[in-house]
Amino acid sequence: QSALTQPASVSGSPGQSITISCTGASSDIGGYTFVSWYQQLPGKAPKLMIYDVGKRPSGVSDRFSGSKSGNTASLTISGLQAEDEADYYCSSFTSSVTWVFGGGTKLTVL
Amino acid sequence: EVQLVESGGGLAQPGRSLRLSCAASGFTFDDYAMHWVRQAPGKGLEWISGISWNSAITSYADSVKGRFIISRDNAKNSLYLQMNSLRAEDTALYYCAKGGGNWIYFYMDVWGKGTTVTVS
Repeated sequence: QSALTQPASVSGSPGQSITISCTGASSDIGGYTFVSWYQQLPGKAPKLMIYDVGKRPSGVSDRFSGSKSGNTASLTISGLQAEDEADYYCSSFTSSVTWVFGGGTKLTVL
Repeated sequence: EVQLVESGGGLAQPGRSLRLSCAASGFTFDDYAMHWVRQAPGKGLEWISGISWNSAITSYADSVKGRFIISRDNAKNSLYLQMNSLRAEDTALYYCAKGGGNWIYFYMDVWGKGTTVTVS
């Protein structure tokens, strides 16, 4: 159950787009559409932003989008805003009937 | 409003046990799988256990398998985590999370605020 691989940090200026990658294996990301993304603001509980690779829960801005290619999933945030500054985690269901998270990516809005 | 409230955290000595609880409200509890996820101080999220709507399927991360037991009481709208043989590395904030559907493969869509466990 190795953690998924995410960049430790990404940054962007307001209005720009950024993409966070999440790399796994054929036993997790590559084998399922059960990939989700979470936003965690400092001192707060995680919030679901994307589920099933590219679906958005009600209330989540359409500036957030998700995709997957092979063993790598991606979260794209367009029209970056100061309020998007947070930690982002990817997660995938695995062939072991478990879930695995990425190490997290700190997004800084310059 | 969907709400999850964890309790039962605290300070425990290595080798001892703790039982966490999660009280759910605002949704039909027995329609959904439930999960426990933890976050060590300054670290990332770690999924540790999940249980299907009817308790037929339970699953654990390798890091807690054989030591932790997840259970639920649908009549009481409650989720539990029995934590045995605690280790220093179990020190973390423990979150209860609601599944997006009835089986474990559904994502975690609502999270509680967490309860802190310190093993020392």
